[in-house]
Amino acid sequence: NAGVTQTPKFRVLKTGQSMTLLCAQDMNHEYMYWYRQDPGMGLRLIHYSVGEGTTAKGEVPDGYNVSRLKKQNFLLGLESAAPSQTSVYFCASSYRELQTQYFGPGTRLLVL
Amino acid sequence: AQSVTQLGSHVSVSEGALVLLRCNYSSSVPPYLFWYVQYPNQGLQLLLKYTSAATLVKGINGFEAEFKKSETSFHLTKPSAHMSDAAEYFCAVMAPSGGYNKLIFGAGTRLAVHP
Repeated sequence: NAGVTQTPKFRVLKTGQSMTLLCAQDMNHEYMYWYRQDPGMGLRLIHYSVGEGTTAKGEVPDGYNVSRLKKQNFLLGLESAAPSQTSVYFCASSYRELQTQYFGPGTRLLVL
Repeated sequence: AQSVTQLGSHVSVSEGALVLLRCNYSSSVPPYLFWYVQYPNQGLQLLLKYTSAATLVKGINGFEAEFKKSETSFHLTKPSAHMSDAAEYFCAVMAPSGGYNKLIFGAGTRLAVHP
């Protein structure tokens, strides 16, 4: 099993550009999550999904959109990138709500 | 609101010395508590978790943590540090928020191990 994979690994954007980060899991997990990691702030939840076709806002959702059209995929979109969105983005998944979350390797995003 | 505080953003120990990484939490309900480790340029890997069973939880790589309800603490320890333990460690609490249980992370503690 590959576990949780993320595409791309690294990306540079100019302010105002858009992009989509892809997360895929092969563990048949119901729950999926997007976090951002910034120095000294730990990980903060952006959006999450409790099943195919569902999405919900986390702690810092502004400027991001998500979609969960297939159970195994969770997409994070930036419609108009801003320098404040420079960060490392992690996707995670879990089988159920209270169970261990498994993390992907991360996507490093730089917005100029 | 639920929160996690990790005391010390950087900890440095000698190889073979005791590792102690501190974590205090606030939660209005009995918590699920986790320690994750992040090696450079990698994702987070679960070290151990507490889910209201034994208060002393053993994890991978020789780490363990003790849940102390009276102190609202979940400190991570390892008797003898190894060079390969150098990484960033995150404590997290799973707590209800907005109708769901969410994982709330501390700011992290970077562990350095020197010869």
